[in-house]
Amino acid sequence: EVQLVESGGGLAQPGGSLRLSCAASGFTFSSTWMTWVRQAPGKGLEWLANIKPDGSETHYVASWGGRFTISRDNANNLLFLQMNTVTPEDTAVYYCVTSVAHAFNNWGQGTMVTVSS
Amino acid sequence: QSALTQPASVSGSLGQSITISCTGTSTDVGSYYLVSWYQQYTGKAPKLLIYEVNKWPPGVSSRFSGSKSGNTASLTISGLQPEDEADYYCCSYAETNIWVFGGGTKLTVL
Repeated sequence: EVQLVESGGGLAQPGGSLRLSCAASGFTFSSTWMTWVRQAPGKGLEWLANIKPDGSETHYVASWGGRFTISRDNANNLLFLQMNTVTPEDTAVYYCVTSVAHAFNNWGQGTMVTVSS
Repeated sequence: QSALTQPASVSGSLGQSITISCTGTSTDVGSYYLVSWYQQYTGKAPKLLIYEVNKWPPGVSSRFSGSKSGNTASLTISGLQPEDEADYYCCSYAETNIWVFGGGTKLTVL
């Protein structure tokens, strides 16, 4: 069974940083494109970034402004999202998602990030 | 890249069929057969319903079907059931490994 467990969310100060993690199991992580998607409270889904199975290629939403970095540790089946210079507009649930056959097949339960002073 | 356009809400009666539209542009929906649809219950993670416009992942009911014409994709749900009441999102590939979601549609089953 595929399992994706996000962690690292919580309360952050504006201008601060957070590192989200996603522990993956139940599939061949090192062969799978991985994606981060977020959802602000009461709002829709927003694709943020993805990363190639070997980590050699990453892509980001155009509006990211260079503040986020996606990375992975295939030896330990972990996906990361480094978030810098966060603003209240980054308040959202962040989902770790597998990308197979040009779709987002498996989703974690999400981790909530709240940016507030 | 702008979000795809979906109606904010749709409704239908038990047993009827409804269609949710998803309008993009020639640089996303219009150019690729890579539209997917997701169902989300309040407080839960989304679930994949349709991929590559009209394909079903294992375990998804055939009551859900997808199509595309030009810059607009559509999700049709036939034989509406109470458990279909949820939010629905479309998503499309939009060049150079970038993806874009629709704004979401709330389905009410009457």
